[in-house]
Amino acid sequence: QQQVKQSPQSLIVQKGGISIINCAYENTAFDYFPWYQQFPGKGPALLIAIRPDVSEKKEGRFTISFNKSAKQFSLHIMDSQPGDSATYFCAASIGGGSNYKLTFGKGTLLTVNP
Amino acid sequence: ETGVTQTPRHLVMGMTNKKSLKCEQHLGHNAMYWYKQSAKKPLELMFVYNFKEQTENNSVPSRFSPECPNSSHLFLHLHTLQPEDSALYLCASSQDPLAAYETQYFGPGTRLLVL
Repeated sequence: QQQVKQSPQSLIVQKGGISIINCAYENTAFDYFPWYQQFPGKGPALLIAIRPDVSEKKEGRFTISFNKSAKQFSLHIMDSQPGDSATYFCAASIGGGSNYKLTFGKGTLLTVNP
Repeated sequence: ETGVTQTPRHLVMGMTNKKSLKCEQHLGHNAMYWYKQSAKKPLELMFVYNFKEQTENNSVPSRFSPECPNSSHLFLHLHTLQPEDSALYLCASSQDPLAAYETQYFGPGTRLLVL
């Protein structure tokens, strides 16, 4: 059973456009939702993260929108640039403690055309 | 070296071979992880080590054998693998395995091909 569902699988956007990637989860105990960015030949790296006590978090051109009642969260990339072309993974976890671990979505391959 | 390093970066092995993957973190972290990344599938957590002790084995077949001699080094010993084990194997580390909302820092991975 996939606990975090991510869509779309791939996305092509023109330079300057808005990229939107969506994720949905089932486990209501999840309370931490990071997004990781992975470039070819590199490991994933934390991009931005949100906790469910807020509905939106913005860092530069990247924004997470969170809808707790719908159990959905999304990544918006404003003014998308060719350098943003990468694979993006949403993830979810349950706080900390000995059971702490990240559950990842399948990833979205973003291509930003110049 | 900085961050999390992994060697080798690429590995081709036959099903009867024995090989090992190495991971080293230079961040002073206390938790280390092995993940398997296959195309069009979520990252699969394989093993977790906290302060050198294994705390998670996510139903991984015994042909994968992890070893964590200290908090900075993590190995994945491979033997009698199957072609479906071909994937990118990622190592990660985090500061405090018992803290909430930890960031995991990933290495570049080892691309494994089993023939």
